[in-house]
Amino acid sequence: DAGVTQSPTHLIKTRGQQVTLRCSPISGHKSVSWYQQVLGQGPQFIFQYYEKEERGRGNFPDRFSARQFPNYSSELNVNALLLGDSALYLCASSAITTGEETQYFGPGTRLLVL
Amino acid sequence: GDSVTQMEGPVTLSEEAFLTINCTYTATGYPSLFWYVQYPGEGLQLLLKATKADDKGSNKGFEATYRKETTSFHLEKGSVQVSDSAVYFCALRRQGAQKLVFGQGTRLTINP
Repeated sequence: DAGVTQSPTHLIKTRGQQVTLRCSPISGHKSVSWYQQVLGQGPQFIFQYYEKEERGRGNFPDRFSARQFPNYSSELNVNALLLGDSALYLCASSAITTGEETQYFGPGTRLLVL
Repeated sequence: GDSVTQMEGPVTLSEEAFLTINCTYTATGYPSLFWYVQYPGEGLQLLLKATKADDKGSNKGFEATYRKETTSFHLEKGSVQVSDSAVYFCALRRQGAQKLVFGQGTRLTINP
């Protein structure tokens, strides 16, 4: 079975621009979470979506938004990009939200803001 | 708030050496605990987990025991290989939540 897929793999943007990152969960998984991993640090939680509804949000500004589609894929949008948004953006999917299921991570999208 | 503290890296060992990477946590209640591994240029892979006190997670020769009394989840392996070179992340998840809280990661390099 295919794992979590993310696109694009790499992206270069300039300050002030907007970016959209995409994630397709493992087949049958209805929950998608997004994390930001700045170089040299651990991933930080941004959002969780389940059944197209936002179920959790981390400490990120309103420039960050996301949505989940009927096929459970998800998009992460970041507006008015700052240099500090340069990071690896990871998507994770899981089957259900009981809190006991495993989250499976995709390979990430590496964003560089110049 | 919840937090995870890992042993500072980088850690460099010779092949077949014994490995310990320390991890301690701060959280209310009884979180689940995880070790994830990140190989160069890749995303995170779950290495092992434990969901309650005194549970031992194990996989690929790695082990970690959930110690509630010391709020620790140290990762160990008896004999490391060059292929174990990667960044290791300790993480917790509060009961009933999806959000994972990660430590800062420990870079491990194994020399032949």
